[in-house]
Amino acid sequence: GENVEQHPSTLSVQEGDSAVIKCTYSDSASNYFPWYKQELGKGPQLIIDIRSNVGEKKDQRIAVTLNKTAKHFSLHITETQPEDSAVYFCAAFQGAQKLVFGQGTRLTINP
Amino acid sequence: GAGVSQSPSNKVTEKGKDVELRCDPISGHTALYWYRQSLGQGLEFLIYFQGNSAPDKSGLPSDRFSAERTGGSVSTLTIQRTQQEDSAVYLCASSGYVGVETQYFGPGTRLLVL
Repeated sequence: GENVEQHPSTLSVQEGDSAVIKCTYSDSASNYFPWYKQELGKGPQLIIDIRSNVGEKKDQRIAVTLNKTAKHFSLHITETQPEDSAVYFCAAFQGAQKLVFGQGTRLTINP
Repeated sequence: GAGVSQSPSNKVTEKGKDVELRCDPISGHTALYWYRQSLGQGLEFLIYFQGNSAPDKSGLPSDRFSAERTGGSVSTLTIQRTQQEDSAVYLCASSGYVGVETQYFGPGTRLLVL
């Protein structure tokens, strides 16, 4: 089955700097890769996703890149703000049935 | 518009008791998923429904766990004879169909087994 590895587990950056979170997956058949943001006491919220026929996608300060050959994808947040502080999860869609999640990255933005 | 809702938001129970957790998906969504999130951990897939059918129950941790969905809408996750290791946040998500489709999550039910 699919296995998703996420790094780093914690990340602290200065406000205004960029943050990068990386994930690798094992199943070459996976074709959909969403990123979720989870704030304390809340459910995960989708922030951006990418499908396997696209190499990069941007939405304002957030971007995701996908390297199918290397089987890894990354989340990039630019001009970070305090409200970006949260736990971020990557995921890969396995077998068109379920999402397999990484272990999460706790991002802290320091003012 | 209304998102995915779950109830109760918090549940404290004693070891050995049964609990029922409820999920109301987004109206019109045919696919419904249950996940478990232990403290500080990622999300663990439990089960999914397409309509009222659950083709894949492989993620359920033991036979104490069961789930059903009626009318293609509300789903209930039941844990019988709860154990302390069942303590976790139980998250429900729904999507338009089973496949490469965005899953929208509810706020979760925080279960504590004493």
